[in-house]
Amino acid sequence: DTAVSQTPKYLVTQMGNDKSIKCEQNLGHDTMYWYKQDSKKFLKIMFSYNNKELIINETVPNRFSPKSPDKAHLNLHINSLELGDSAVYFCASSRGTTDTQYFGPGTRLTVL
Amino acid sequence: AQSVAQPEDQVNVAEGNPLTVKCTYSVSGNPYLFWYVQYPNRGLQFLLKYITGDNLVKGSYGFEAEFNKSQTSFHLKKPSALVSDSALYFCAVRDIGPNSGYALNFGKGTSLLVTP
Repeated sequence: DTAVSQTPKYLVTQMGNDKSIKCEQNLGHDTMYWYKQDSKKFLKIMFSYNNKELIINETVPNRFSPKSPDKAHLNLHINSLELGDSAVYFCASSRGTTDTQYFGPGTRLTVL
Repeated sequence: AQSVAQPEDQVNVAEGNPLTVKCTYSVSGNPYLFWYVQYPNRGLQFLLKYITGDNLVKGSYGFEAEFNKSQTSFHLKKPSALVSDSALYFCAVRDIGPNSGYALNFGKGTSLLVTP
């Protein structure tokens, strides 16, 4: 059973489009995250979501917005995609805010 | 903010030899330290963590890490490397404080290459 899953695995789109990446976890965790891995493999937090409290990294453009329909899902919506948004996006989850984070397989986004 | 540094971009080791991947940390208070591994085109897999307790932490796939408070280090080790250990290794520290979201701050990663 996949613990943290993401769809799609690959996403290729044109500049200016709006897209979404879905994340689901079946671990019963109550905290979820989105990270961005750039072309140099550097990982950086984008969002943290716990018990309806959203913490946003101040460097994330407001074109990015997470949406959580329930505790098991944290989807990432991106408006007006730009070339610089091309990256691998990882979803993660943990039980509470201090436990181990478990990562999904990633979504490779390519903006043309 | 809490941070970690991985001084080596790449580590090369022959199969069967011991391996060490270095990580140093800079934190205020007690550190929550983690090691993850990323295989090509895959997600991050958790290897081990240090929260408190014994300085030698044992993890998955035969890996272990030694927490050294005086040297502010948390090096990853394995007594005998396998070719299949070749991957990208990330050290991370949990951020704390207001507006941190308790997210992980990652090092830049160290590429481990184990040759037959």
